[in-house]
Amino acid sequence: AQSVTQLDSHVSVSEGTPVLLRCNYSSSYSPSLFWYVQHPNKGLQLLLKYTSAATLVKGINGFEAEFKKSETSFHLTKPSAHMSDAAEYFCVVSETLTSGGYNKLIFGAGTRLAVHP
Amino acid sequence: NAGVMQNPRHLVRRRGQEARLRCSPMKGHSHVYWYRQLPEEGLKFMVYLQKENIIDESGMPKERFSAEFPKEGPSILRIQQVVRGDSAAYFCASSPAPTDTQYFGPGTRLTVL
Repeated sequence: AQSVTQLDSHVSVSEGTPVLLRCNYSSSYSPSLFWYVQHPNKGLQLLLKYTSAATLVKGINGFEAEFKKSETSFHLTKPSAHMSDAAEYFCVVSETLTSGGYNKLIFGAGTRLAVHP
Repeated sequence: NAGVMQNPRHLVRRRGQEARLRCSPMKGHSHVYWYRQLPEEGLKFMVYLQKENIIDESGMPKERFSAEFPKEGPSILRIQQVVRGDSAAYFCASSPAPTDTQYFGPGTRLTVL
């Protein structure tokens, strides 16, 4: 079975400094991996996704993530944090089920990012 | 193109009442997924539906919960005889095909008093 571990439940950075949100996954297959962001009392927005093309994936708002198969990691980074980046971030692995042939999303527990002035 | 719509955004029910949550997928999307987010946790899959069919309900509690996606109209998640433990945010997602990216609605936050 596939699973996702987000290594930090809370991350705090200063505005203008780099952001690193860590994610490790467990998968028997070549996984599809995603990062979603959830702002307070809002829905989830897709930041970026990896689907076995380039290992470095660029997303919206300056975020990017690198798929490292040898480390089973998919960490999310941004060179310079902005106040508006404060939110909850979810790393997600997609499990394609042969019965039904659809993607079941497996969510990590989330990392809450705080950005200080 | 409007995104996934959910209503109501907030729902308050007393124990024993019924909760009905609605989800209108994005235009052109015929695949709907429901997820539940308990406080301080990630989202957990509940059910996957196509028009008029439940494909996978392995994440649904065995009792009191049901879902439908009729030929016309929104998908409905129904919780009968709600209990305090049902308090959570319920998110709906849709996709144009079963292996495509899922797009999420804003969620319905259910509070059971």
